[in-house]
Amino acid sequence: EAQVTQNPRYLITVTGKKLTVTCSQNMNHEYMSWYRQDPGLGLRQIYYSMNVEVTDKGDVPEGYKVSRKEKRNFPLILESPSPNQTSLYFCASSLVSRNSYEQYFGPGTRLTVT
Amino acid sequence: DAKTTQPPSMDCAEGRAANLPCNHSTISGNEYVYWYRQIHSQGPQYIIHGLKNNETNEMASLIITEDRKSSTLILPHATLRDTAVYYCIVRVDNYGQNFVFGPGTRLSVLP
Repeated sequence: EAQVTQNPRYLITVTGKKLTVTCSQNMNHEYMSWYRQDPGLGLRQIYYSMNVEVTDKGDVPEGYKVSRKEKRNFPLILESPSPNQTSLYFCASSLVSRNSYEQYFGPGTRLTVT
Repeated sequence: DAKTTQPPSMDCAEGRAANLPCNHSTISGNEYVYWYRQIHSQGPQYIIHGLKNNETNEMASLIITEDRKSSTLILPHATLRDTAVYYCIVRVDNYGQNFVFGPGTRLSVLP
């Protein structure tokens, strides 16, 4: 089944404790992206990647890192989480093509930083 | 990318058509209109997209005005499972930088 998976789905952590949220897709998509969703603000892009070893900042990259060493994986790293990073996080993937019209989203990771 | 304006919320009776409007008066000639929806904190789901012509698929229809400054997403026979937040996005590509989902329209389908 074509899908985007995220782990963990739920995470409660403390300020300053490094964490990684994994994202994996099995559709051979070039493009992958991370979003965060906060009440009343819609989904905002954190980082995106157009292919392996190619990453770039989105709208709200501060406090986050990403890497794209393999095509299927795009982990989101919080080196020193803070309470303002408490949010619902989504990973998405897509083909990079003029005929590509759909981003596929993962189920989300709900992160709480205390 | 062109900005969009959507009503914050709408109600629709079950079995009736749901018509969700979107204004995008600054849309450029090469920008598509995309619609996604998000059901209760799940990942967003693609619905439909269009450039100039009206489009229909198994989920919905998209009506774009001739001047392309606004569009309407139509769910022909809304069910309770269509209760969701619907996002209208105007972009050249469906990927890349600053792909932002605005507040959208919260559609409530009522029994």
